[in-house]
Amino acid sequence: NAGVMQNPRHLVRRRGQEARLRCSPMKGHSHVYWYRQLPEEGLKFMVYLQKENIIDESGMPKERFSAEFPKEGPSILRIQQVVRGDSAAYFCASSRGRADEKLFFGSGTQLSVL
Amino acid sequence: GQQLNQSPQSMFIQEGEDVSMNCTSSSIFNTWLWYKQDPGEGPVLLIALYKAGELTSNGRLTAQFGITRKDSFLNISASIPSDVGIYFCAGPEMAGANNLFFGTGTRLTVIP
Repeated sequence: NAGVMQNPRHLVRRRGQEARLRCSPMKGHSHVYWYRQLPEEGLKFMVYLQKENIIDESGMPKERFSAEFPKEGPSILRIQQVVRGDSAAYFCASSRGRADEKLFFGSGTQLSVL
Repeated sequence: GQQLNQSPQSMFIQEGEDVSMNCTSSSIFNTWLWYKQDPGEGPVLLIALYKAGELTSNGRLTAQFGITRKDSFLNISASIPSDVGIYFCAGPEMAGANNLFFGTGTRLTVIP
């Protein structure tokens, strides 16, 4: 009974490159959330998606960041033209339904921008 | 904006000691969640609280939903080395919201 799966665990990019982070939710979960965590800080909400829909993207930077959760396949968080300030741990979480506040998190992707 | 402040920020305790930490909010919460994060891993849900005054246990962990609905407490009894990590409180950003707002965290170190 696999939990939330994220890959890669570590991603190194040079400034200006693109970063793609993948997340497969827990079995039976159709709601996905992306969070960002800077060193020594708590998690900050970025975006909430259901299959094929973005429900809430109030935490997403307006430029260079996008997220999708297609009908088939994992959710993708895409960062274009990365900058050093994008270096952080990015966590994906999933929940069973809209009214379920219990989120289950993956192990995260550590993005390092050189 | 909304704030969730946790105290203490960090704790160093001897193995076997009990631990208390708390979380206070600038606004009312209807749900409180406590998570633990190990180094290099994602947060793991420990306890969920849904009603003011509620006291819930999970093994050596006990959490309480404050009467004012603006605070919550987490206690760990008889600490062991694997309790090391960062403990976060969290709650829905607003009523009916799914996305969670996280506290600033309490970093616990247990000295064997």
